[in-house]
Amino acid sequence: GESVGLHLPTLSVQEGDNSIINCAYSNSASDYFIWYKQESGKGPQFIIDIRSNMDKRQGQRVTVLLNKTVKHLSLQIAATQPGDSAVYFCAENPTSGTYKYIFGTGTRLKVLA
Amino acid sequence: ETGVTQTPRHLVMGMTNKKSLKCEQHLGHNAMYWYKQSAKKPLELMFVYNFKEQTENNSVPSRFSPECPNSSHLFLHLHTLQPEDSALYLCASSRLNGGGAGDTQYFGPGTRLTVL
Repeated sequence: GESVGLHLPTLSVQEGDNSIINCAYSNSASDYFIWYKQESGKGPQFIIDIRSNMDKRQGQRVTVLLNKTVKHLSLQIAATQPGDSAVYFCAENPTSGTYKYIFGTGTRLKVLA
Repeated sequence: ETGVTQTPRHLVMGMTNKKSLKCEQHLGHNAMYWYKQSAKKPLELMFVYNFKEQTENNSVPSRFSPECPNSSHLFLHLHTLQPEDSALYLCASSRLNGGGAGDTQYFGPGTRLTVL
């Protein structure tokens, strides 16, 4: 079946270093992708999105890369801070024009002081 | 913090109890959603309302009963739940259901439900 998966369930990064969180998706027709951050005890928070007609999009300290050839999505966080510690998961919209997103299980990012 | 609020934040109930979860969005969105989030599992879509009309019931057991009196409020009525229903219940809203690429869903903080 269709799935959105993550290569690493837990990622530990030294404070100040860059973080890269990966996501694989299976539906080549997906045209919209979102990265969410979920801190302990909170709901998912929108970080950044990207449409399939782009391969890169930058936000404040975050960059999302989309490689449609290998159906791979990544989230890069520059100069990782303690406040970045959270679970990050991606979501894909496999059918344009619908609300049915497929969500990944998430990667836990731990920032080491 | 997001413009989607949920109450209560924590709820413990017995299997014979009846309780309700409340969600309110202050974003002027037209679509609202209920999701279930269990440990180590992806988000599971439960219900979708668009302009107060239910457009999706993702094979959810009848012990979960949603209600959407207007585009800003969404309820989830609970009765005769099972321990396996214990999870984080998330409410979300978006500008327009079926709006296609860019119709981002914004989530509330969730209600942590424990069924004894």
